[in-house]
Amino acid sequence: EAGVVQSPRYKIIEKKQPVAFWCNPISGHNTLYWYLQNLGQGPELLIRYENEEAVDDSQLPKDRFSAERLKGVDSTLKIQPAELGDSAVYLCASSTGTSGRTDTQYFGPGTRLTVL
Amino acid sequence: ILNVEQSPQSLHVQEGDSTNFTCSFPSSNFYALHWYRWETAKSPEALFVMTLNGDEKKKGRISATLNTKEGYSYLYIKGSQPEDSATYLCAFLQGGSEKLVFGKGTKLTVNP
Repeated sequence: EAGVVQSPRYKIIEKKQPVAFWCNPISGHNTLYWYLQNLGQGPELLIRYENEEAVDDSQLPKDRFSAERLKGVDSTLKIQPAELGDSAVYLCASSTGTSGRTDTQYFGPGTRLTVL
Repeated sequence: ILNVEQSPQSLHVQEGDSTNFTCSFPSSNFYALHWYRWETAKSPEALFVMTLNGDEKKKGRISATLNTKEGYSYLYIKGSQPEDSATYLCAFLQGGSEKLVFGKGTKLTVNP
């Protein structure tokens, strides 16, 4: 079974440029998550989707970040414009969404963003 | 704001040593605790999901215990191998929430 796929793996951009990250979850997983991991910190949830609906985007900085999950499968996270402080690892995860508190989240390898 | 603490922050052991580290979380309104292993340049991998006080889970040489009344979980590795080198993350799920709150992780390095 293929795992969660993310691209690109690494991205270096100049500040004020736009950037987009793509995630393909495990087939059949209804729930998709985007996390931000700053150096030395644990992953922090940015947004959670149930199918195509964003059910928790309270931690997404909406002035510059946007996300979409068209057709409830793949998802894209965008930053426009990027700032120096956005340098971090962006992780995507998916789960079945049917197991309640034991619902295991399966992670992709992440995109490491460097903003110069 | 939920506080999930992991200690130590980093740990160096020799191959063959057994080791353990701690995850502390709020003892009220516990729902679940997840453990993940994250090797460099790879995806975080789920190790255990623990839900009941007194739970003990085992996967090969790795095991975990849970004390929800005092708010901690221990992860043990018996006879550490270089391939165990990774960051071990715990994540707390509070009742009424659907959001995992992660600790900062314990970075384990096993020297051959």
